[in-house]
Amino acid sequence: DTAVSQTPKYLVTQMGNDKSIKCEQNLGHDTMYWYKQDSKKFLKIMFSYNNKELIINETVPNRFSPKSPDKAHLNLHINSLELGDSAVYFCASSLTGLGETQYFGPGTRLLVL
Amino acid sequence: EDQVTQSPEALRLQEGESSSLNCSYTVSGLRGLFWYRQDPGKGPEFLFTLYSAGEEKEKERLKATLTKKESFLHITAPKPEDSATYLCAVQDVSGGSYIPTFGRGTSLIVHP
Repeated sequence: DTAVSQTPKYLVTQMGNDKSIKCEQNLGHDTMYWYKQDSKKFLKIMFSYNNKELIINETVPNRFSPKSPDKAHLNLHINSLELGDSAVYFCASSLTGLGETQYFGPGTRLLVL
Repeated sequence: EDQVTQSPEALRLQEGESSSLNCSYTVSGLRGLFWYRQDPGKGPEFLFTLYSAGEEKEKERLKATLTKKESFLHITAPKPEDSATYLCAVQDVSGGSYIPTFGRGTSLIVHP
């Protein structure tokens, strides 16, 4: 009955590699998000999609490319991984994206060596 | 620019010892203030939303209050299972973005 799920839970990879993180929500929400949480627990928005359309793209390197095949899925592809990309990445969703509660996934812990 | 400051950064309590966590914010106008709980290795879990000064919400041992400049999360007679990081987030009415700005959280440990 997981509302927002992410895979994988852990990702350990070498610098320069390309990796993807997948997110799915079964809440029927229209809006999905990607957040990055650094080692100091600071949660920062990266992207927001509404009904498969990119709404918000914060200052994120072009190496990060989100893709939303349908409104229940939002994937994050990262090219040429760097040490500084190591963090926990959270997917979230909300009903309309107009200020209501966000529901978060369990996170993907990315470690770049 | 929005600013959300949470204090203290860390708090250790004995079981049953009540206390409060603070979230101070600076926004052009408040659309909403959210409290989340985050357990180690998990995603944030929604607790409360507050919209206007004077508003209060309660859930079990937790009570959230809101003024024009800050919000408090009061924890009454905490238990070890209340140990977690508590995150505050605010939404500003200005601009077209509905994305909340998060504080860095307060890490709470309740000792039995």
